[in-house]
Amino acid sequence: DAGVIQSPRHEVTEMGQEVTLRCKPISGHNSLFWYRQTMMRGLELLIYFNNNVPIDDSGMPEDRFSAKMPNASFSTLKIQPSEPRDSAVYFCASSLVRSSGNTIYFGEGSWLTVV
Amino acid sequence: TQLLEQSPQFLSIQEGENLTVYCNSSSVFSSLQWYRQEPGEGPVLLVTVVTGGEVKKLKRLTFQFGDARKDSSLHITAAQPGDTGLYLCAGGKGFGNEKLTFGTGTRLTIIP
Repeated sequence: DAGVIQSPRHEVTEMGQEVTLRCKPISGHNSLFWYRQTMMRGLELLIYFNNNVPIDDSGMPEDRFSAKMPNASFSTLKIQPSEPRDSAVYFCASSLVRSSGNTIYFGEGSWLTVV
Repeated sequence: TQLLEQSPQFLSIQEGENLTVYCNSSSVFSSLQWYRQEPGEGPVLLVTVVTGGEVKKLKRLTFQFGDARKDSSLHITAAQPGDTGLYLCAGGKGFGNEKLTFGTGTRLTIIP
């Protein structure tokens, strides 16, 4: 399996610009997660989907952030407008959630720098 | 609010030594997972423990879940340079424990 695929791997953008991060989860997985990692705050869950439906978006920082999952094989995380404090590594992860538990597989991350 | 505190935050030891990393919380979790993250990559799951008092071994790594399911430890015997990385604990809640809260992390460096 190819694993969780994220794009772009690196992006540098100017403050105020729109940023779109993309994710292809592992085929057959029913849950998808977006995390953000910074030195100051560590790894934070932003939002997660189950069967393409957003279950918990309480970690989304503010209205500038939005996430969609139009189908089981694709998700986007959009920041509009971007700000320097959004600079971080954004990870997408997927898993097959069952009552017996699950294993979450992370992508390699999208490194975002907002200048 | 950071629910899972890890200690130490940084640890640098010589190859061959033993070490223990701790993960503590005031919350009860249904499961506790440990991940290792290397530079430029995402975290990779090492182990999941679900029962209070449970102990799991993965080669030179020993993981323990506290009796009250609020804390956990990771012990490495005879550390090797390949053990270098960021170790993250994560507490799970929800139907399949899919909602994870990650710890603050322990950055481990093994000196050859």
